[in-house]
Amino acid sequence: SQKIEQNSEALNIQEGKTATLTCNYTNYSPAYLQWYRQDPGRGPVFLLLIRENEKEKRKERLKVTFDTTLKQSLFHITASQPADSATYLCALAVPSGGSYIPTFGRGTSLIVHP
Amino acid sequence: ETGVTQTPRHLVMGMTNKKSLKCEQHLGHNAMYWYKQSAKKPLELMFVYNFKEQTENNSVPSRFSPECPNSSHLFLHLHTLQPEDSALYLCASSQDNPTSGLSYEQYFGPGTRLTVT
Repeated sequence: SQKIEQNSEALNIQEGKTATLTCNYTNYSPAYLQWYRQDPGRGPVFLLLIRENEKEKRKERLKVTFDTTLKQSLFHITASQPADSATYLCALAVPSGGSYIPTFGRGTSLIVHP
Repeated sequence: ETGVTQTPRHLVMGMTNKKSLKCEQHLGHNAMYWYKQSAKKPLELMFVYNFKEQTENNSVPSRFSPECPNSSHLFLHLHTLQPEDSALYLCASSQDNPTSGLSYEQYFGPGTRLTVT
């Protein structure tokens, strides 16, 4: 079965720096990969989606890369702010019975210090 | 605020109780999901409904019973739960492509924090 690995240790960075989070997966390449943000006690919020034939996707201060050779996605937040502090989840579309089901990693906590 | 609502937001129930969680989506999506989120664990997919038909049931114990009366509403009926079932239960919806089978971004509700005593 597909295994998704995200760094379980919190990432602490200073405001203004670039935060880089990693998502590694095993087995087959997913059709697409998504990143979500989750704040404590709330549901995840969709941020970005990148397809298997795309190398990079950007949205404002966010950038996602997708390397199917390394089986890895990197999620970057440039000019980070304390408000970016949250848990970031990676999700892969896994084929299942003719459709694709998102499978989530456990997430990495980001803490941006002022 | 998302277009997915869940009630109740908090629920405390005994092991012999029967309760139901409700989810409603106002986004016109055709797929709805139930997830369980326990502390320090990834989101666990429980059930998926595409076009009102259940298409996924990830070996969930029978004490959890889903119901999807239409494409906008989803219920999770609970009975004789165990303390280890205490968790955040999240509902989500998405718009599936019926040809490719791909579903894209999911929109989550705020969750129901369930405590089983």
